[in-house]
Amino acid sequence: DSGVTQTPKHLITATGQRVTLRCSPRSGDLSVYWYQQSLDQGLQFLIQYYNGEERAKGNILERFSAQQFPDLHSELNLSSLELGDSALYFCASSRRQGDEQYFGPGTRLTVT
Amino acid sequence: ILNVEQSPQSLHVQEGDSTNFTCSFPSSNFYALHWYRWETAKSPEALFVMTLNGDEKKKGRISATLNTKEGYSYLYIKGSQPEDSATYLCAFYSGGYQKVTFGTGTKLQVIP
Repeated sequence: DSGVTQTPKHLITATGQRVTLRCSPRSGDLSVYWYQQSLDQGLQFLIQYYNGEERAKGNILERFSAQQFPDLHSELNLSSLELGDSALYFCASSRRQGDEQYFGPGTRLTVT
Repeated sequence: ILNVEQSPQSLHVQEGDSTNFTCSFPSSNFYALHWYRWETAKSPEALFVMTLNGDEKKKGRISATLNTKEGYSYLYIKGSQPEDSATYLCAFYSGGYQKVTFGTGTKLQVIP
């Protein structure tokens, strides 16, 4: 158990809908990362927050947004969902930027 | 888009064999290089965090080296065991905000 929690574990929704994925980092970790893993693809970095501020952006679509709250938990919002958004979404946390990352169990999103 | 490449893509070795894989990354704007181990149906787990040119890290039978000037890192596994079967990922951190790019991984299968 990495100490990083993600909810929900599984999510099935229809095209056009909006969902929110939640991540709680390990106690004491200030940095949160979001990744997408689509079928047969590697880990695609989406976005990183550090102590509530956005610090780096990867290949995140405009339909997606995220934030990190004062208690350091983070949410990833996915809107106007398309079939291609079906993927495993991982959250990871680290003590500081550049430290080893601890990954959560992931949220499996299926868009039908 | 930063080019982080891993080779080989997959590898089958006999139990007891030693093996190694490569991670290639841009030689400019280096901040850190991480190695992760990712078992099927689990989440990635950190193996090593490497920050200095010439770094060598070791954990049991697994070790890694880093050459930031030429942009590569090697991961070595001595005396492979079936429990070493996993995908090994490298993650390259660049720039002031440490944007992270993961390689696509080397999938190792150790045959008993």
